[in-house]
Amino acid sequence: EAGVVQSPRYKIIEKKQPVAFWCNPISGHNTLYWYRQNLGQGPELLIRYENEEAVDDSQLPKDRFSAERLKGVDSTLKIQPAELGDSAVYLCASSSTGTAIFGEQYFGPGTRLTVT
Amino acid sequence: GQQVMQIPQYQHVQEGEDFTTYCNSSTTLSNIQWYKQRPGGHPVFLIQLVKSGEVKKQKRLTFQFGEAKKNSSLHITATQTTDVGTYFCAGTGNQFYFGTGTSLTVIP
Repeated sequence: EAGVVQSPRYKIIEKKQPVAFWCNPISGHNTLYWYRQNLGQGPELLIRYENEEAVDDSQLPKDRFSAERLKGVDSTLKIQPAELGDSAVYLCASSSTGTAIFGEQYFGPGTRLTVT
Repeated sequence: GQQVMQIPQYQHVQEGEDFTTYCNSSTTLSNIQWYKQRPGGHPVFLIQLVKSGEVKKQKRLTFQFGEAKKNSSLHITATQTTDVGTYFCAGTGNQFYFGTGTSLTVIP
C-alpha cells in the first residue's frame, strides 16, 4: 500500500512569490491534514479536511494561505505571497477516522520550503 | 490557549540506559497520541491512549495517560541506537496540538 505522497519535496522561492504544495493521501482515508513544522518544533495543524469539507481551519493564516480538496482525495495548499517566515516543512497527513477524536495519522515526507 | 509541553527538551543517554519523556497539557485531553520522528524524517505514529490512567506497552516502550487526562509519559527501557529521534506527544483538547518534543540521542 502506498503511503502519503507529497510534492515537491523541496522548494526554494523568493519572497512575495506564490507557491503550492500537493498531497495525495492513503487510499480510502477520508481525513486529510496539513501541518507546518518549524525547525526544532512540533508540527502545527493548519487545516483538517473530512472528505472535501474543511472542518478545522482555525489556525490557517487566511490572508495568504489557502487550501482545497475538491474531490475529497488530493489536496493542495497554497501560499500567496510567501514571506520569509513561511520557511518550514509542510507536512500532509491522512487518517481513516473522522470523529472528534483524531485518529492514527500517517504522514507524508513533507515539502521543505525555503523563502529567500 | 491550550499548550502541550514536553520535558526534557533534549536527552542524551548511554546505550542500555532507560529514557523517559513527560508531556503536560494545560487543558484536559480526550486522547493523547505519541509519534517518533527520526532526524530528517516525518512523524510516525506509535500509539494512542484514550482512558484515564491507561497504560500500554510496546516491547521496550511503556506509555501512560494520567488520571486527570492532562499528562502522559513515554518510558523506554534499555535504549538502543535505533531509538534515536524526537518523540512528540499530541493531544486533543479544544484543539489538536503536538507537544514541543524531546530529542533523544543514544550514545553507543
